[in-house]
Amino acid sequence: GAVVSQHPSRVICKSGTSVKIECRSLDFQATTMFWYRQFPKQSLMLMATSNEGSKATYEQGVEKDKFLINHASLTLSTLTVTSAHPEDSSFYICSAKLGLAGDEQYFGPGTRLTVT
Amino acid sequence: QKEVEQDPGPLSVPEGAIVSLNCTYSNSAFQYFMWYRQYSRKGPELLMYTYSSGNKEDGRFTAQVDKSSKYISLFIRDSQPSDSATYLCAMRRNSGNTPLVFGKGTRLSVIA
Repeated sequence: GAVVSQHPSRVICKSGTSVKIECRSLDFQATTMFWYRQFPKQSLMLMATSNEGSKATYEQGVEKDKFLINHASLTLSTLTVTSAHPEDSSFYICSAKLGLAGDEQYFGPGTRLTVT
Repeated sequence: QKEVEQDPGPLSVPEGAIVSLNCTYSNSAFQYFMWYRQYSRKGPELLMYTYSSGNKEDGRFTAQVDKSSKYISLFIRDSQPSDSATYLCAMRRNSGNTPLVFGKGTRLSVIA
């Protein structure tokens, strides 16, 4: 299957700082990328849908000014958690769709964020 | 009622057993159905992808979709300890960028 990478895999930051997470599609072009958050023993919750070259579409309840998403190229999307708080500690996972025709969605390995 | 219901388990089976994992859903507009496997602290891995009703087989895995009952299943034959993971069902209404709706996931342990 297609490969999606995320960096970093784990990050610890202090409350009030910002953290950037990168999501890359390594062997295909992804016109659409998705960002999810997963709390322990919970399912994936979609945060936003990101299309290359346009503004992200955020799910209800997700603050767009707090979770900044940039999808500047067909292989890279970034999520920046601004002014992070301990309650933002979670597992953040991105996924990418294979171009316009494909329906399969491939996930990155996830980034564990801990805010102290 | 949630759109997708999945028993979180945990489900524990002996090695070699046939495992049956299931999800029910309420939205009859769902047409695309997927099963993902997620190991602890890892991202989900796509296992099976089916469109509309019917069966699909891939090695030890068989996915079934019964749209009339709004019920999907994943069967794992000859289960192995390496199959121990959380299995998530997911579905969407149509093609394109419609978001996936996930079940909560079923935690499976295969005991050697």
